[in-house]
Amino acid sequence: GQQVMQIPQYQHVQEGEDFTTYCNSSTTLSNIQWYKQRPGGHPVFLIQLVKSGEVKKQKRLTFQFGEAKKNSSLHITATQTTDVGTYFCAENRDDKIIFGKGTRLHILP
Amino acid sequence: DTGVSQDPRHKITKRGQNVTFRCDPISEHNRLYWYRQTLGQGPEFLTYFQNEAQLEKSRLLSDRFSAERPKGSFSTLEIQRTEQGDSAMYLCASSRQGGYTFGSGTRLTVV
Repeated sequence: GQQVMQIPQYQHVQEGEDFTTYCNSSTTLSNIQWYKQRPGGHPVFLIQLVKSGEVKKQKRLTFQFGEAKKNSSLHITATQTTDVGTYFCAENRDDKIIFGKGTRLHILP
Repeated sequence: DTGVSQDPRHKITKRGQNVTFRCDPISEHNRLYWYRQTLGQGPEFLTYFQNEAQLEKSRLLSDRFSAERPKGSFSTLEIQRTEQGDSAMYLCASSRQGGYTFGSGTRLTVV
């Protein structure tokens, strides 16, 4: 099946800088989920967006679902060392989660 | 019950041997999923159960792989005649509605 595409694959930022990862699909998504995986850890569910144009915030994290429901973004304001990890977008399709390849975030002290 | 448990955490096996992994989901979750993750990739769907019924199997799941969930609670994933290409992290997840809860995974190394 069609996989959601994520960019960039890697991102290095200075601590305190902002970070954004983007998720794109050629087809309309029924929903988008975001997960965080720390190095050596397992994916942890962050949020699910369902509605066109939806925006949700969790402290320094802002999640957005595009108007056409073909793209999504995760923005982190003022990154901290605890934000290190890989961020995955995923679609809950046909009762299973289809993951993108993720964006690996590295924080420079 | 604080989450999804997987056992063992690590498994090193010789090529050609059989291995079995266990997953204990969150007790009130009726759906259980198996995923495989290799380095630098996102988790790839293998199979899932609703209660004891196996509802879907990915084409990634060759006939050397078999999964069971006999009583609708814990699940096992068996790999027969392991190959080096089977080396990966095997993740189990459970859900009831919405987001999934993943276990810590079993890291398999085939030597």
